[in-house]
Amino acid sequence: SYELTQPPSVSVSPGQTASITCSGDKLGDKYACWYQQKPGQSPVLVIYQDTKRPSGIPERFSGSNSGNTATLTISGTQAMDEADYYCQVWDSSPYVVFGGGTRLTVL
Amino acid sequence: EVQLVESGGGLIQPGGSLRLSCAASGFTVSSKYMNWVRQAPGKGLEWVSVIYTDGSTSYTDSVKGRFTISRDNSKNTVYLQMHSLRDEDTAVYFCARDDQGFYWGQGTLVTVSS
Repeated sequence: SYELTQPPSVSVSPGQTASITCSGDKLGDKYACWYQQKPGQSPVLVIYQDTKRPSGIPERFSGSNSGNTATLTISGTQAMDEADYYCQVWDSSPYVVFGGGTRLTVL
Repeated sequence: EVQLVESGGGLIQPGGSLRLSCAASGFTVSSKYMNWVRQAPGKGLEWVSVIYTDGSTSYTDSVKGRFTISRDNSKNTVYLQMHSLRDEDTAVYFCARDDQGFYWGQGTLVTVSS
């Protein structure tokens, strides 16, 4: 079955750029999504179709996907961005695959 | 406003059964792929099941033969019938609409324990 690998944790200073990677075999051939989840809350879609932002998501969130790696980039990271982030793709079996998640710490 | 509201979670003994509901508003469940995703305490997201617009279904291997996803178009509601529950099924279960990305409900907690 298809697998996505994320680093368990990433740290960033306020105002700096955070990059969270998601790796999978030929991941660039698939559409990737990214979700933000804060403690006790449901996940929120922040990037879809590799690079697009849903309505209401700040412009500091951006995405890319090429080769075997998709990347979520948060420019000018704010304290409110501290959360768990998950990548996700669609596959054949199982239909949907999530990465293991990355905890972003803003310090 | 598009909204998903899950219900039906609770404490259940191993081997028991439970039915989760996901009531939708602002769209029709038959027009979208509707999913259940779960999250065990302190763990990541795990996709569980999908019901496609044509009514066909798919499941992750660990729940095949035990869980059944369905929908009632007249109630605009999606269900997850769970049988033979195991300790490892303990999780928050989220209903999610697939619209080029997942849009989530608030989740309902299922605890399997004796």
